[in-house]
Amino acid sequence: EVQLVESGGGLVQPGRSLKLSCAASGFTFSDYNMAWVRQAPKKGLEWVATIIYDGSRTYYRDSVKGRFTISRDNAKSTLYLQMDSLRSEDTATYYCATLNGGPFAYWGQGTLVTVSS
Amino acid sequence: NIVLTQSPATLSVTPGESVSLSCRASQSISTSIHWYQQKSNESPRLLIKYASQSISGIPSRFSGSGSGTDFTLSINRVESEDFSIYYCQQSYSSLYTFGSGTKLEIK
Repeated sequence: EVQLVESGGGLVQPGRSLKLSCAASGFTFSDYNMAWVRQAPKKGLEWVATIIYDGSRTYYRDSVKGRFTISRDNAKSTLYLQMDSLRSEDTATYYCATLNGGPFAYWGQGTLVTVSS
Repeated sequence: NIVLTQSPATLSVTPGESVSLSCRASQSISTSIHWYQQKSNESPRLLIKYASQSISGIPSRFSGSGSGTDFTLSINRVESEDFSIYYCQQSYSSLYTFGSGTKLEIK
């Protein structure tokens, strides 16, 4: 059974940093592209970043480019999102998801990040 | 960026009715569209991939159609568990985007 378990969310002040983790199990992690998708409170879904299966390429939405870094450790089957220079508009539940080609096939339960002073 | 416009924003129906939800892309995206269901306080779930391909474990009353810029998610005879929010998502561009969602509510 595929499992994705996010952690690392919490309350953080504007301008500070936070690092999210996503522990994967039930599938061969190193075979899959992975992504982070976020959802602000009462709002829709927003793709954040993608990383290719071997870590060779990454993609980011414009609003996080230069501030967020997606990475992975295939030996540990873990996906990361380093978030720097956080802003109030980054407040959201962050989901990790597997990318099976184009669609996000499996999703974690999400971890809430609140950026507030 | 490719913009996806979903309509209507809210759809009020009676259980047993059949419905169609629309997703329109700002440019042609072939069949690179996927549909998700999100129930309250839950993670999204993939319903349909590549416009019309079914997903294992998803009830057969859900189906998808379309290509180019216009896509439709159809639910044949809506059941009580189907009342939730539905999103479309494109993968034609590596900079993925989602539609703003259609909320399916009980009339």
